[in-house]
Amino acid sequence: GAVVSQHPSRVICKSGTSVKIECRSLDFQATTMFWYRQFPKQSLMLMATSNEGSKATYEQGVEKDKFLINHASLTLSTLTVTSAHPEDSSFYICSAARDTNTEAFFGQGTRLTVV
Amino acid sequence: GDSVTQMEGPVTLSEEAFLTINCTYTATGYPSLFWYVQYPGEGLQLLLKATKADDKGSNKGFEATYRKETTSFHLEKGSVQVSDSAVYFCALVSYNQGGKLIFGQGTELSVKP
Repeated sequence: GAVVSQHPSRVICKSGTSVKIECRSLDFQATTMFWYRQFPKQSLMLMATSNEGSKATYEQGVEKDKFLINHASLTLSTLTVTSAHPEDSSFYICSAARDTNTEAFFGQGTRLTVV
Repeated sequence: GDSVTQMEGPVTLSEEAFLTINCTYTATGYPSLFWYVQYPGEGLQLLLKATKADDKGSNKGFEATYRKETTSFHLEKGSVQVSDSAVYFCALVSYNQGGKLIFGQGTELSVKP
């Protein structure tokens, strides 16, 4: 199968600190990874698309300086929430695809709570 | 742009009842269609998919048929169980937007014993 592992599954951090979330494709090489955010009782909203070795493409309204995405290898992408604030508290989910036009597989998600 | 619309929840059913969750889409071209399920506290799991018109996706007793003429992909199950309680998301892959998934708003299903 195609397994995507996201870590950590839960994290609590203080306001003003930064948090890094990792997304790994365990048994395949992912050219493309997607990062989504899900607010309570709402759908998933795409934040950005990252392709290995190039800069991420952010969706409109997403602050690229606040949500830093690095896709340094074909099996790892990271999302860093910088200077976190309580309104950044959310469920963040990544997905990974072998390439742009193939099925993407989801990680289990990370629940971020900023206090 | 491409979009997905689902029936609003929450949907509450008794065990063994018939389930239908409506999903319609707007897209240019011929997208692939998906149903994802999210159990409480967990990430998304692919439930089923269909890649072309008239395809029927099926898994765990759930099924959905890709209807191009009505731009629909309704999810059905003949007899739900308590363990089916979850949030269900209809989605399409927008290949004219770099292959990203576009999700519906999600429908919460609660099955009572």
